[in-house]
Amino acid sequence: DTEVTQTPKHLVMGMTNKKSLKCEQHMGHRAMYWYKQKAKKPPELMFVYSYEKLSINESVPSRFSPECPNSSLLNLHLHALQPEDSALYLCASSQEREANTDTQYFGPGTRLTVL
Amino acid sequence: AQRVTQPEKLLSVFKGAPVELKCNYSYSGSPELFWYVQYSRQRLQLLLRHISRESIKGFTADLNKGETSFHLKKPFAQEEDSAMYYCALHLYGGATNKLIFGTGTLLAVQP
Repeated sequence: DTEVTQTPKHLVMGMTNKKSLKCEQHMGHRAMYWYKQKAKKPPELMFVYSYEKLSINESVPSRFSPECPNSSLLNLHLHALQPEDSALYLCASSQEREANTDTQYFGPGTRLTVL
Repeated sequence: AQRVTQPEKLLSVFKGAPVELKCNYSYSGSPELFWYVQYSRQRLQLLLRHISRESIKGFTADLNKGETSFHLKKPFAQEEDSAMYYCALHLYGGATNKLIFGTGTLLAVQP
């Protein structure tokens, strides 16, 4: 399996709901990432997990809560989101090797709409 | 501060014409640069990275440290090249491991 998968593809939620996004990879990668992408904009990094530990949090609001249960799985728990959080949420993974060989591979994303 | 600049939001060319997508970076260290492509309704995917010095789908990119540029080129554009192209700078070291993306250039290849 050489792909990053994400579920669900689409998600509509209210501002009081609690939901989770899921990301999975079976490439043996040890780094996993969450990005947010608004329409016609580049991806913006949210979180980085390295060897199942949170290594980077780009000052993301606490209504977004990441979790890495094991080396293949990455979740993003959502609670009390705002309409402006509507976006495409991308997951990526990489081998976490030296800089000149570490390449990130992206999932297809979850299109989130907050009503 | 680290930054990636793609000056063109949209680049429209005719099929068979040469293409050059511009990318400039600002980084005090030794840069690791990538080009990613996002076709309509498809995932963001790696096109090429400067360290490999490879040619993918006819595209090449040369790192010019003097001009701090990493422009993407193709001699003859094809309609299937129409997509959003992002240049990205990889920051790695210590607790840092992240990609900084440029704002992207939408390439439209006209028949």
